[in-house]
Parts: sequence; C-alpha cells; structure tokens
Amino acid sequence: GESVGLHLPTLSVQEGDNSIINCAYSNSASDYFIWYKQESGKGPQFIIDIRSNMDKRQGQRVTVLLNKTVKHLSLQIAATQPGDSAVYFCAEMGGGGSNYKLTFGKGTLLTVNP
Amino acid sequence: DAGVIQSPRHEVTEMGQEVTLRCKPISGHNSLFWYRQTMMRGLELLIYFNNNVPIDDSGMPEDRFSAKMPNASFSTLKIQPSEPRDSAVYFCASSLSLYEQYFGPGTRLTVT
Repeated sequence: GESVGLHLPTLSVQEGDNSIINCAYSNSASDYFIWYKQESGKGPQFIIDIRSNMDKRQGQRVTVLLNKTVKHLSLQIAATQPGDSAVYFCAEMGGGGSNYKLTFGKGTLLTVNP
Repeated sequence: DAGVIQSPRHEVTEMGQEVTLRCKPISGHNSLFWYRQTMMRGLELLIYFNNNVPIDDSGMPEDRFSAKMPNASFSTLKIQPSEPRDSAVYFCASSLSLYEQYFGPGTRLTVT
C-alpha cells in the first residue's frame, strides 16, 4: 500500500547549525502533512503542518517545504539546539476519504552535538 | 491544561492475561485515537472515535483487541488474552480539528 517513507536515517549536527530532515511520500491524494517531534520516553509532539495548496510554511525556527511534483517534504530547523535532539516523523493525511487518518513515516533521529 | 493522560505508564504482564490501558483526552476535544508504536512497524492507528463513537477500527489487529469510549473524558483499550507480540508502546491522542492531534505520554506494554 501507499505510505510515507523515511528510511531510518540519522542526522548529526553541531549546535547552532541548520538541520534539514527529508521525507518522501507516495500518496499523491494526501492533502495535509505534519511534522512531529518525539523525545525519548514521550509521545509525538506537533511541530508544524502544511496543506497541499502551499509549498512553504514557517514557524518559530522551523520551516516546512512541500514539493508536490516529486512528492517530497522537508523540515528545516534553524540554529539547532541540544533540545532539538529527538526523532522526527513526517505524517500525511487525507486522500481516499480518510480525512482523519495520519500515516506516519518511520522517523529520523536528530542528534545535536554541543 | 494537563494534556492527554494515559495510565499506566508501564505494564508488564504474562501471556494470556488481560490488559487494560486507559486514556483521558484533553477536555473539549471530540476525537480520540489509539496508536501502537513498534520498531518494526512504526506508529500505527488502531482505532478512531468521534464524539465517543468508533468510526474506524480497521487497524485493530484482531479480536483480542477492543476499545471503548463510554464518555467524552475516558477511553480504554483492552487486550484479552495478551501475547508477547503485543509488546509495544500504546499512545492515545485527541484532537478538536482532526488535524492537530495531541499525543499522551504512552503506555509501554511488555508481555512475557
């Protein structure tokens, strides 16, 4: 079946650098995308979302880019801090009438070195 | 706001025993979701309630799993009988808009 895919990458960055986490999705009917952050021992925490009629959205220190042509989603974190160390998941929703069902990717582990 | 509350946080049980996981959603939220997280399969939606009514239970693995939502402030996920392959972290999430789902801290279940 179609799925959002992250292939278990690990990203290690230095404190203060910018981080870019990528995600490929396969369901072209999806109309809503979300990035979640999951710290060890905690539940996923909403970071930022974007709808399919947009290609960029900015939050506080984070930017999400959506490229529907190549079905690619990215999360950019500016001035990465040690507290940003976590697993980051992209998720998609919508398409096929399931406008409540989040399909999660497998996650990227971000490690920030002080 | 206390957020989504789950109990217990950790549960260790023997194969064949009944397990009940509990969730209190954020007050005012009308949608509740149960997810399961494993290393192999990632985060999977088990069941979705809207206004206390189960809307989609297609993710429930088998008849050993059941979920209820008797009122807007409480839900349970029951596994009877439990098996070692049920070992996972179980999350409850709630939302008002369907889009921004707020997750609880999870229950780590170990079945020996």
